[in-house]
Amino acid sequence: DAGVTQSPTHLIKTRGQQVTLRCSPISGHKSVSWYQQVLGQGPQFIFQYYEKEERGRGNFPDRFSARQFPNYSSELNVNALLLGDSALYLCASSSEGRGNGYTFGSGTRLTVV
Amino acid sequence: GQNIDQPTEMTATEGAIVQINCTYQTSGFNGLFWYQQHAGEAPTFLSYNVLDGLEEKGRFSSFLSRSKGYSYLLLKELQMKDSASYLCAVREDSTLTFGKGTMLLVSP
Repeated sequence: DAGVTQSPTHLIKTRGQQVTLRCSPISGHKSVSWYQQVLGQGPQFIFQYYEKEERGRGNFPDRFSARQFPNYSSELNVNALLLGDSALYLCASSSEGRGNGYTFGSGTRLTVV
Repeated sequence: GQNIDQPTEMTATEGAIVQINCTYQTSGFNGLFWYQQHAGEAPTFLSYNVLDGLEEKGRFSSFLSRSKGYSYLLLKELQMKDSASYLCAVREDSTLTFGKGTMLLVSP
């Protein structure tokens, strides 16, 4: 069974550009969350989507947006990139239920130059 | 506010036992997770506690005290491959708030 898949794996962008990151959850999982992990820190919550509805948003500027599609895959968009946006962007999927764990994808390593 | 504290680094010897502590102060609580993360890789799920007490899974055990806002991850019979970052995360509603991670170095 395929796990959580993210694309691309690595990306280099210039300041001011826009980027779109993609995530496909585990089959049957309807919830997708996005996290930003800066080197040496723990992941920081950006967005959560369930059944195409935004369920939560972390403390990130409006330059960050996301959406979930009918097949439960998701995209994270970041506009007007800053050097500080350089990080590992992780997608996690989970099934409904409080006791269920989150399975993370391998992430997209974004470098802004 | 939300605050999750864990030691930055720990070192241990192969075959030994190590305990990684985590204290938390969060506005909500729906369980505590421990994840292992090797450099450049995704976090992988280790354990989940929602009630007080000890959960054991092979070489790994995790303990929770909700009244004290405290958890620990216990790793037994350490192996070189256990060298990694260990992340403590509290679930609030349906989101996870992570600590900064504890880098564990296992030496021969």
